[in-house]
Amino acid sequence: LAKTTQPISMDSYEGQEVNITCSHNNIATNDYITWYQQFPSQGPRFIIQGYKTKVTNEVASLFIPADRKSSTLSLPRVSLSDTAVYYCLVGTDYKLSFGAGTTVTVRA
Amino acid sequence: EADIYQTPRYLVIGTGKKITLECSQTMGHDKMYWYQQDPGMELHLIHYSYGVNSTEKGDLSSESTVSRIRTEHFPLTLESARPSHTSQYLCASSGTGQTYNEQFFGPGTRLTVL
Repeated sequence: LAKTTQPISMDSYEGQEVNITCSHNNIATNDYITWYQQFPSQGPRFIIQGYKTKVTNEVASLFIPADRKSSTLSLPRVSLSDTAVYYCLVGTDYKLSFGAGTTVTVRA
Repeated sequence: EADIYQTPRYLVIGTGKKITLECSQTMGHDKMYWYQQDPGMELHLIHYSYGVNSTEKGDLSSESTVSRIRTEHFPLTLESARPSHTSQYLCASSGTGQTYNEQFFGPGTRLTVL
């Protein structure tokens, strides 16, 4: 699985947009980019996945540049309930490697 | 409703006891996984199964064992619990043909070994 690098933590305020960038320089041609969200004392939850360009769903948007060596998860107008750890994963194997993730703290 | 279940949610047990953590899913998924996660730390894959009678060790060495006799059931057993086994254990499943890398997680079992 391709190694990923993302910030350890980010702080934001309610109503702001949060953008988390993940680097994956050695991404393979067949690899997908997947993001998970984990609240304290719960299992991770799949948020969004993409291969190239932009993907949007009801929760977030995922921006992937042409070279695919990085990706940015965008959370629009966050609320206190978006405080969680966000993981960026790259690969196609069904075995996932989560890494440390980015702890996003949303303040009132 | 299709879901993934883990029991018990919390378990406090003494050293040397044998324990089994249960995991069941009703989604018909062929692949199932066990992860271990200490508070505030990374998730580590400790076991996985790609189908009935198939089990493999994950990236993190674990003294636990698993079995997969039925598609929907993937129990994890510790023959002799020790304080070092204190952790949260998360079970997950995924199905062939669905979105790549999309796993569905159970609520977890928080194990404390005294």
